[in-house]
This record gives sequence, structure tokens and C-alpha cells, in this order.
Amino acid sequence: EPEVTQTPSHQVTQMGQEVILRCVPISNHLYFYWYRQILGQKVEFLVSFYNNEISEKSEIFDDQFSVERPDGSNFTLKIRSTKLEDSAMYFCASSGAGGPDTQYFGPGTRLTVL
Amino acid sequence: GENVGLHLPTLSVQEGDNSIINCAYSNSASDYFIWYKQESGKGPQFIIDIRSNMDKRQGQRVTVLLNKTVKHLSLQIAATQPGDSAVYFCAERGAHFNKFYFGSGTKLNVKP
Repeated sequence: EPEVTQTPSHQVTQMGQEVILRCVPISNHLYFYWYRQILGQKVEFLVSFYNNEISEKSEIFDDQFSVERPDGSNFTLKIRSTKLEDSAMYFCASSGAGGPDTQYFGPGTRLTVL
Repeated sequence: GENVGLHLPTLSVQEGDNSIINCAYSNSASDYFIWYKQESGKGPQFIIDIRSNMDKRQGQRVTVLLNKTVKHLSLQIAATQPGDSAVYFCAERGAHFNKFYFGSGTKLNVKP
């Protein structure tokens, strides 16, 4: 069964450093998402991406964040200058040609900012 | 963001019993709702969804009910099993086609 994959599973970085979180969505999917989940809290929407551009973003997704689909398979989230409060699980999700419904989530990347 | 919340943070049920997990939402314009299951250390897993033009939708052992009058969503799990133990989130799509809001989650404990 196809699945969304994410790398790395755990990323530790120093405050102020740039990080890139990587995702490989399901191959024939068209809609891509990043969410984050601070430990013990709810899942928060960051950004959605369709047709090679951002379609929606949340208040969290400020100028420090960017997304890219550099090729036909990868979808990345970049945080330019990490802050302590960026420490969280980051989930990538994708959905298919039927629309943004029925999103499939990856296993997540745990980001720890020291 | 949208106010999607849950009535109970933790629900304990006996194996074999039915479980009901509730969710309230605030945006009457929301047109699509999803229930997710999240096991420890994993990403959310889609369980079932419902559109706002429906009141009820059934899947395998799960049923989602939508009451638009009181802006309430519920997930019913029949014959709950130990493998159902997880945190359950409701999510809604509000005014924006491709933007989703999650509730704070209910932890379901299934006692053998």
C-alpha cells in the first residue's frame, strides 16, 4: 500500500539554524500539506500546496517558513532561523486527484530546537 | 482559527462495548468533517469523513453523526477493541477549500 514517507525521523538543531524537513507524498497525489503538533497538543495546519503553489497558509506559517516541490516526488518544509518554540512533530500529508479530502499522513519528523 | 474542540479529553470503555467520541465546532460554514485516529508515535490516520449535506455516514464498525443545528459531530465505534486505543481527532474544513482545523483530541482507553 502506498504511503507518505518523511525524513529524518528526528532532527536536532541549534536555535537560529536552518532546517529542511523532507517528505515524499504518495506518487499520484496532487495536494500536499504540512502540519505541526507540539507535544501534547492538537495538530495545527501550516500550509497547503497545489499546482506548484501555496493554496492556503495559517498564521503560524510566517516568513521564516517556506515550502518547495523541487522535483516530481519530494515536498520540503524549510525553517530559515529556528526558534525554541518551533520544537514539535511536523507531519506531511497528501491527497489525490479527487480533491483535498482523505489526506494521508506521514509518520512525522520530530524537530528539537536547542 | 476555527474553534474545533472536544467535550472529553479521556474516554475509558470496556472491550466489546460501543464508544462515542464527541466534537463541537464553531463555524456553521464548514462543509466537510473528518475523524482521525492517532496512535502513539504515528501520524494521524483517516477513519471516516462526512460532508455537511449529510447527517450520518457509516463505515466498518464506525459511524459519524453530524448535527448542524448544534454544530456537533460524533464518532461511534461499535464493539470497541484494544486496537482502537488511541487519540481521536475531529477536523473540519472551514471557509477555505484547502485549509483544515483539528480539535484537541480525545484519548480512548479500551480495557480488556
